[in-house]
Formats: sequence, structure tokens, C-alpha cells
Amino acid sequence: QQQVKQSPQSLIVQKGGISIINCAYENTAFDYFPWYQQFPGKGPALLIAIRPDVSEKKEGRFTISFNKSAKQFSLHIMDSQPGDSATYFCAAAHRGGYGQNFVFGPGTRLSVLP
Amino acid sequence: KAGVTQTPRYLIKTRGQQVTLSCSPISGHRSVSWYQQTPGQGLQFLFEYFSETQRNKGNFPGRFSGRQFSNSRSEMNVSTLELGDSALYLCASSPFSGVTDTQYFGPGTRLTVL
Repeated sequence: QQQVKQSPQSLIVQKGGISIINCAYENTAFDYFPWYQQFPGKGPALLIAIRPDVSEKKEGRFTISFNKSAKQFSLHIMDSQPGDSATYFCAAAHRGGYGQNFVFGPGTRLSVLP
Repeated sequence: KAGVTQTPRYLIKTRGQQVTLSCSPISGHRSVSWYQQTPGQGLQFLFEYFSETQRNKGNFPGRFSGRQFSNSRSEMNVSTLELGDSALYLCASSPFSGVTDTQYFGPGTRLTVL
């Protein structure tokens, strides 16, 4: 119930293309869904996050789509750039909960070819 | 503003030894969370300290412990090291406790257990 599944494990996209990463969760108590970006040698950094009262959130080239009934959410990166090459983690959390806070997906390694 | 700093950045220990990792949060941040990152298990939440008190705890054995000082700096201790403890240990700081948009990660300490 605490798992977050993420796919694909790795993704190769041409410059200018659209990168799509999908996540699914089971625990309906989760009410906060962030995406983190991690470059080699660095810690993860928050990219964009969504709460379940909206179905989509866009920030620049990054969009989260959220499907509450299917318990799925996805990250779309439009006009992908080589600088976007990194590992992306989705996560889920229950803001009012105790114990474990964030549950992370296993990550997607994105490579954007020039 | 300086970011989250972690020391040391790299550490090599042998089985059975113990280790202490240090995390200095962003100035003004009172919450420090610790995470373990491994290729197999991904990012897993260890525990969170806020104002010197452990607020949340993940599913790790008692060999993993931590503390926070009055200046918000935090240390994590792992006793009786096992090979499986080899990982990147990340800390994250935030002004607030629990699930928040304002969580910033440090670069991590890479622990290798031989």
C-alpha cells in the first residue's frame, strides 16, 4: 500500500521531443505528489508538485497530469533539452500523516540526445 | 544563502564498525530529514528531526539512529555496519516539519561498507 510504481526505468528522447514518465500509487491517503530531478553527484531537487484537487499543473516546460480515479500521475517534459538529462523521481505523501512521510518511485533515467 | 551541507562526502568502513554522518541545514531551517538511496531500493525515508525531537520515522532497524542539536545540525549514526548499508545518505532541510514543498536536499554522503 505504501509503494509508488514508476515507469519507464530509462528513457531516451531526441532534443525537442516530449518525455513522459508515469507513476502509480495505491494508498488513497496520499494527497501530495511531487516530482524530483537529480543530477549525478547532487541531491534531488523539487521540480513540480500537485495536489489531488487539480488534474493538471504546468510550470514552464514541465506538466504534471493527475488521474485520481486511476491513482496515476505523470510528468511531461515538453521540448526536452540535453540539460534535462537526469534521473527523475516521483513521490507521494500524506501531508497529515505520521511515520514515513515521502514514498519515492524507483526513478527514471532520462537521456536527451542533442 | 548557503545550501544544505553534508560531511563527509565519502566514507569507507568495514563490516561491524559504526559511522556518524553530519548534516548542516540551511540557515533558519529547523527540520532535518534523512534518506537512504540505493540502486535496488531507491530513496527511502529514515527519520525526521524538528527542533531536536524525532518527529517521523521510517522502517529501518534500530541500528540507524539520529539526533539534532540546538543549532539544527543533525547527525545520523549507523552501528554494526552491514554490507547492505552501502548507500548514498541524503539529508534534507526545511523550515517546517513533515510534508512540504520547501524541502531542500544536500549532496549526500556516499558510504561504502567493505
